[in-house]
Amino acid sequence: DSGVTQTPKHLITATGQRVTLRCSPRSGDLSVYWYQQSLDQGLQFLIQYYNGEERAKGNILERFSAQQFPDLHSELNLSSLELGDSALYFCASSVGRLNEQFFGPGTRLTVL
Amino acid sequence: TQLLEQSPQFLSIQEGENLTVYCNSSSVFSSLQWYRQEPGEGPVLLVTVVTGGEVKKLKRLTFQFGDARKDSSLHITAAQPGDTGLYLCAGVKNQGGKLIFGQGTELSVKP
Repeated sequence: DSGVTQTPKHLITATGQRVTLRCSPRSGDLSVYWYQQSLDQGLQFLIQYYNGEERAKGNILERFSAQQFPDLHSELNLSSLELGDSALYFCASSVGRLNEQFFGPGTRLTVL
Repeated sequence: TQLLEQSPQFLSIQEGENLTVYCNSSSVFSSLQWYRQEPGEGPVLLVTVVTGGEVKKLKRLTFQFGDARKDSSLHITAAQPGDTGLYLCAGVKNQGGKLIFGQGTELSVKP
């Protein structure tokens, strides 16, 4: 158990819909990262938040957005969903200068 | 283009065999990490290497960081079915910077 929690575990929805994925980092970790993992693209970095502020952006689509709340939990919002958005979405938290990351169990999103 | 290239992409071996997975780049990294991921679960950190030429051992797993800090290898001795999984290398170019992942090596160890 990494100490990072994600909900829900599975999510099935239809094209055009909007969903919210939730993540709670390990106690004491200020940084939260979101990743998308699909079979053909591997693990892709989406966005990082540090203590409530956006720190870095990766390959995140404009239809996607995220935020980190004062209690440090984070949400990833995915809108106007397309079939190609079906993937595993992971949240990770880290501490320290080496950026060692602890991953949650992931949310498997299926868009039908 | 992938900043970190892992090879091989797939590896299927028999229990007891040795294997090496490579992680190569033309870029210099301040540190490099190896993760192992099982199906349906999140990656789990195995080790971090920081110094060029550094070697770290974790039971039957040996990790090495290249002298120029551009590449790394993971060697598994006497592989066991429990070693089956996706092995990912990930590099940090600047301290505190984002983690860049390789595409992964899918290892299958058959009993």
